[in-house]
Amino acid sequence: GAVVSQHPSRVICKSGTSVKIECRSLDFQATTMFWYRQFPKQSLMLMATSNEGSKATYEQGVEKDKFLINHASLTLSTLTVTSAHPEDSSFYICSARDSWQTFYGYTFGSGTRLTVV
Amino acid sequence: RKEVEQDPGPFNVPEGATVAFNCTYSNSASQSFFWYRQDCRKEPKLLMSVYSSGNEDGRFTAQLNRASQYISLLIRDSKLSDSATYLCVVNTGAGNNRKLIWGLGTSLAVNP
Repeated sequence: GAVVSQHPSRVICKSGTSVKIECRSLDFQATTMFWYRQFPKQSLMLMATSNEGSKATYEQGVEKDKFLINHASLTLSTLTVTSAHPEDSSFYICSARDSWQTFYGYTFGSGTRLTVV
Repeated sequence: RKEVEQDPGPFNVPEGATVAFNCTYSNSASQSFFWYRQDCRKEPKLLMSVYSSGNEDGRFTAQLNRASQYISLLIRDSKLSDSATYLCVVNTGAGNNRKLIWGLGTSLAVNP
């Protein structure tokens, strides 16, 4: 089945630094990539949606200059958390969908646990 | 009102028990519905889709009531391995605007 590889699985960084998270679709073309954030005991919150070759669409309240999303190819999307602060510590998950998958084709990465100290 | 609402629980049940989770959604134009399972510190995994006619997969039964905008999940003969958070998920929008709206999740602990 479809697989999305997400790296790193865990990262600890100092406040003020930037962190890049990668999601790669291994055996399908990820036309659309969704980026989520999940705080402890909270639901998944959609941060942004990106279509390959287009600028990402950010959800209300998500700073596009802080969370940089690049989806330059059909197999790779990246999320960069710039100038990270402790409040950015969270579980970040990507989810990919290809153009042929309809309502059932959301493949999730394994998540990245970010801790900013 | 939240777009997708669930009772967060926790539900503590003994092995072998039957447990039911409920979920309501606010957007009547929502097109498809799912139950996902999420283990602690892991990504969510699709448990089952939910159809208007109701569907069953082993010990799991899902029901959808479009008129009431209500979704349910029934787990029979609970196993210890069923302990997890169960997320109600609704697919809204059309074309490239489709996206998943997630409930807060219902926590289940199955005890020996």
